[in-house]
Amino acid sequence: KNEVEQSPQNLTAQEGEFITINCSYSVGISALHWLQQHPGGGIVSLFMLSSGKKKHGRLIATINIQEKHSSLHITASHPRDSAVYICAVRPKTSYDKVIFGPGTSLSVIP
Amino acid sequence: DAGITQSPRHKVTETGTPVTLRCHQTENHRYMYWYRQDPGHGLRLIHYSYGVKDTDKGEVSDGYSVSRSKTEDFLLTLESATSSQTSVYFCASREPYNEQFFGPGTRLTVL
Repeated sequence: KNEVEQSPQNLTAQEGEFITINCSYSVGISALHWLQQHPGGGIVSLFMLSSGKKKHGRLIATINIQEKHSSLHITASHPRDSAVYICAVRPKTSYDKVIFGPGTSLSVIP
Repeated sequence: DAGITQSPRHKVTETGTPVTLRCHQTENHRYMYWYRQDPGHGLRLIHYSYGVKDTDKGEVSDGYSVSRSKTEDFLLTLESATSSQTSVYFCASREPYNEQFFGPGTRLTVL
């Protein structure tokens, strides 16, 4: 069983839809990261969370430490949101490394 | 965004040749990382550094070596490239307890 899992693996949405991507993990963590990678592009850090909720523009990230679960929400989705979204956790026992999830591939259709 | 560059951005080489990839950051970050990204595997850690001359292995370190003689530079060397090392390589850096910033990636093809 992978230590970081994401669902769904692939997601297709119509422009304007509300999107949720889920991340669950099995280790104790000090922080969780959400990353974005556009096709053929680099990797950009969206959020770093250790509790609660963060919002940046149309993106919202939440984390429930007790349930070992995080969600990334995209409101009013747009074709430019089409990308792979990667969840990564920093274990408490290994704070200098992160464990990456497999990624969720999102396609937003006009 | 943090200033992290990688060179070269693309490279095609032949099996058995040595290859060195360079990562350069201008943020004075303490930690630096080399990852490879392959379809079906996501990002996997090759080596990382927690200070000048201080490095450690990641989960896929076989066939790779690294060096860090200055805070800003982290070199990844493939001593004798193999076709299984065809991949996209990403460098990243960060300060303790902070988020990672990634370089633009290097696409390496070993023929």
